Amino acid sequence: DVKVTQSSRYLVKRTGEKVFLECVQDMDHENMFWYRQDPGLGLRLIYFSYDVKMKEKGDIPEGYSVSREKKERFSLILESASTNQTSMYLCASGGETQYFGPGTRLLVL
Amino acid sequence: GENVEQHPSTLSVQEGDSAVIKCTYSDSASNYFPWYKQELGKGPQLIIDIRSNVGEKKDQRIAVTLNKTAKHFSLHITETQPEDSAVYFCAASKEDTGRRALTFGSGTRLQVQP
Repeated sequence: DVKVTQSSRYLVKRTGEKVFLECVQDMDHENMFWYRQDPGLGLRLIYFSYDVKMKEKGDIPEGYSVSREKKERFSLILESASTNQTSMYLCASGGETQYFGPGTRLLVL
Repeated sequence: GENVEQHPSTLSVQEGDSAVIKCTYSDSASNYFPWYKQELGKGPQLIIDIRSNVGEKKDQRIAVTLNKTAKHFSLHITETQPEDSAVYFCAASKEDTGRRALTFGSGTRLQVQP
């Protein structure tokens, strides 16, 4: 069974804090993705990575960065969290079929 | 870039009825159209997909149709059951040098009334 795990289910942070969201997959996938899910907007791609140390911007990369030092791990970084980054964050891995983690619900106060 | 529109945003049906969700896409180069189901508290999970060289695909109670000329595709669920209640997302993509990033629709919340 493919497994994508995310480090936290819920997070509460203060404005201006640096936030790390971690994602780990166990299927040796080359591609990994970070999405943001908001009501009425669906899933929007923030960044994706197709290989270790490689990254590409998605549709809404502003305010975010990513790190992929190992094939199985893909981190999303909010350098200085803002209230408009309050959202559900979903990590996925895979090729044509993407396998999603359970999501991290982030609240920025 | 690609833009995917999905309708309706909410859909309520009686158990045993059929449900239809429709999506349109903008990029004629898109060639892969998956549908994902998201249950409460979980990440989306692929339920069916279709490629641009196929007009229809079925898997038990679910089917997907694709009209490339009109650039729209639909999900059909027959004999709905309460466990079909979830949020459904359509998506579109084109392969770019082996990297396939999906563009998702805004989602449809389906509620099946027992």
